[in-house]
Amino acid sequence: QPVLLQPPSSSASPGESARLTCTLPRGFSVTGYNVYWYQQKPGSPPKYLLYYFSDSDKGRGSGVPSRFSGSKDTSLNTGILLISGLQSEDEADYYCQIWTNIVLFGGGTRLTVL
Amino acid sequence: QITLKESGPTLVRPTQTLTLTCTFSGFSLSTDRVAVGWIRQPPGKALEWLALIYWDDDKRYSPSLKSRLTITKDTSKNQVVFTMTHMDPVDTATYYCAHRVRSGAWFDPWGQGTLVTVSS
Repeated sequence: QPVLLQPPSSSASPGESARLTCTLPRGFSVTGYNVYWYQQKPGSPPKYLLYYFSDSDKGRGSGVPSRFSGSKDTSLNTGILLISGLQSEDEADYYCQIWTNIVLFGGGTRLTVL
Repeated sequence: QITLKESGPTLVRPTQTLTLTCTFSGFSLSTDRVAVGWIRQPPGKALEWLALIYWDDDKRYSPSLKSRLTITKDTSKNQVVFTMTHMDPVDTATYYCAHRVRSGAWFDPWGQGTLVTVSS
């Protein structure tokens, strides 16, 4: 059972924005963690997208478009992946991850671009 | 350019031990803060982290599977070996090895993965 909670599915239209969430369990405050995000397309391994800790401590992977960004909602104890200007190629599964002396993954969100 | 490739059996019988090898290039596991991890993904399901080995031979394991897992490295061969004992059909999955970056705690890049089926 994944420890980080992600909605199983999300959808949006081309050109719109998608907001994917990753909720940390009780006992893990999102304010204290880097949240990492990966994109996985069918038949391929996950690809690292970005990490987000704060607005002054964040980064994207090599070649990842600026349409992909991260943030946090501390009131919901949630990490957020925002994809703006959705393209059909963004249709994929998205996983979040944190590090707490071990690796924790979320259950993944399947993003459909309608 | 960093690359990783998993190798090992594609079919394992229940109760047997799985041994997978990750052969990598483009980095050294003797460089400080570098690590290699193993992650698996059952068909149609989510990623599950299994194990991690650091440049200094420090090792971390998934708490739920720890008793079944072993990870070792051969720095001279640029290889990491992963074993899982007492294999069961529920362990059927694609097994990935991945490079954990020096500057953070994410995995980049990943190997292509190898599908291991557990069946009698």
